[in-house]
Amino acid sequence: AQSVTQLDSHVSVSEGTPVLLRCNYSSSYSPSLFWYVQHPNKGLQLLLKYTSAATLVKGINGFEAEFKKSETSFHLTKPSAHMSDAAEYFCVVSDRRSSASKIIFGSGTRLSIRP
Amino acid sequence: SAVISQKPSRDICQRGTSLTIQCQVDSQVTMMFWYRQQPGQSLTLIATANQGSEATYESGFVIDKFPISRPNLTFSTLTVSNMSPEDSSIYLCSAQMAGLNIQYFGAGTRLSVL
Repeated sequence: AQSVTQLDSHVSVSEGTPVLLRCNYSSSYSPSLFWYVQHPNKGLQLLLKYTSAATLVKGINGFEAEFKKSETSFHLTKPSAHMSDAAEYFCVVSDRRSSASKIIFGSGTRLSIRP
Repeated sequence: SAVISQKPSRDICQRGTSLTIQCQVDSQVTMMFWYRQQPGQSLTLIATANQGSEATYESGFVIDKFPISRPNLTFSTLTVSNMSPEDSSIYLCSAQMAGLNIQYFGAGTRLSVL
């Protein structure tokens, strides 16, 4: 069984400061992990994905995430927040063994950026 | 990647009516999915749309309420039947290409039921 937990429902940071959105997962098998972003009134956009290669994954818009198996974590970070980063972020897990597997969404973290 | 077009983008419907949402992908994909996102919530999988056969529904979702069609590899529809205000949500279509463990999403359909 798989599950994913986003530890913060809401994160607020000042523009120009670092962003940390936390995600822990549970998987019986080697997982694939993703972060998606949903801007207001928009669909979901893939930020980055971890499948099995490098544990530090770089995504779009300056975001990156590190897969830590010992901590079962896949936290999303960005060195310097921009106003345009304000959105809802979803951590997602799937079973890497099968391309036909379902994906499980976390509950989401709303990121607010203070001027 | 795949580009997914959904329509309508939003609608306001009366209780008891039905709405059909269309999802078009710009390339042939192996799997298509339908999700519901209730206000302020995460995404919940409704069903997997199977090409040429009946959709596979998740627990809590039934074909009579959410009939799904997928006549070919690039197109699917979801109907929300006999709507009630509790059906007010965002409905999203996603697609997954062969050999890739990534789902790409449409912009969603924002449904309000009065």
